[in-house]
Amino acid sequence: AQRVTQPEKLLSVFKGAPVELKCNYSYSGSPELFWYVQYSRQRLQLLLRHISRESIKGFTADLNKGETSFHLKKPFAQEEDSAMYYCALHSSNTGKLIFGQGTTLQVKP
Amino acid sequence: DAGVIQSPRHEVTEMGQEVTLRCKPISGHNSLFWYRQTMMRGLELLIYFNNNVPIDDSGMPEDRFSAKMPNASFSTLKIQPSEPRDSAVYFCASSPNSGNTGELFFGEGSRLTVL
Repeated sequence: AQRVTQPEKLLSVFKGAPVELKCNYSYSGSPELFWYVQYSRQRLQLLLRHISRESIKGFTADLNKGETSFHLKKPFAQEEDSAMYYCALHSSNTGKLIFGQGTTLQVKP
Repeated sequence: DAGVIQSPRHEVTEMGQEVTLRCKPISGHNSLFWYRQTMMRGLELLIYFNNNVPIDDSGMPEDRFSAKMPNASFSTLKIQPSEPRDSAVYFCASSPNSGNTGELFFGEGSRLTVL
């Protein structure tokens, strides 16, 4: 079965602290993984994709096939990073984009 | 481009009433997705279309839910009759490339409350 798991509903950190939002997936095939972000009163939008191996707003995510994980990391959190973050898996077989349950990141001053 | 446009933004209705949510995808995008967002389940895919044709509706919860895409620039999601457990935010998203990419462009959502 294709599944995305984000074990934390809420992650609260202080400004300047490191952040790691966890994501694990289940997929029989070569996965295509994404992180989406939803800031307060804004649309859900793409943050980054594993295939690009890019850093966006200081965030990076590395695909670990051995651990079936795609954790999102940032070394120093900023208050403007407070948002809901969704990990997502794209199935090339079905064309579906399957989301995890989301993690709310709260960065305190 | 204004992006994906959804209406209404907010809807409050009573149990048993029919609800119709509307979506205008980004011009030129040939895939359209309907998602439901709740606190308990996060974002669930309800149905998606490629080139106006429904490809997968396995996420539609029950027969009370139906979706149509009569042309490339318009889709509806209908709930009839509505129930309190249908209360959620419903998102529409579109994508180019016939769903071969995981990059979706979302609307602002329609917040439905069924009393």
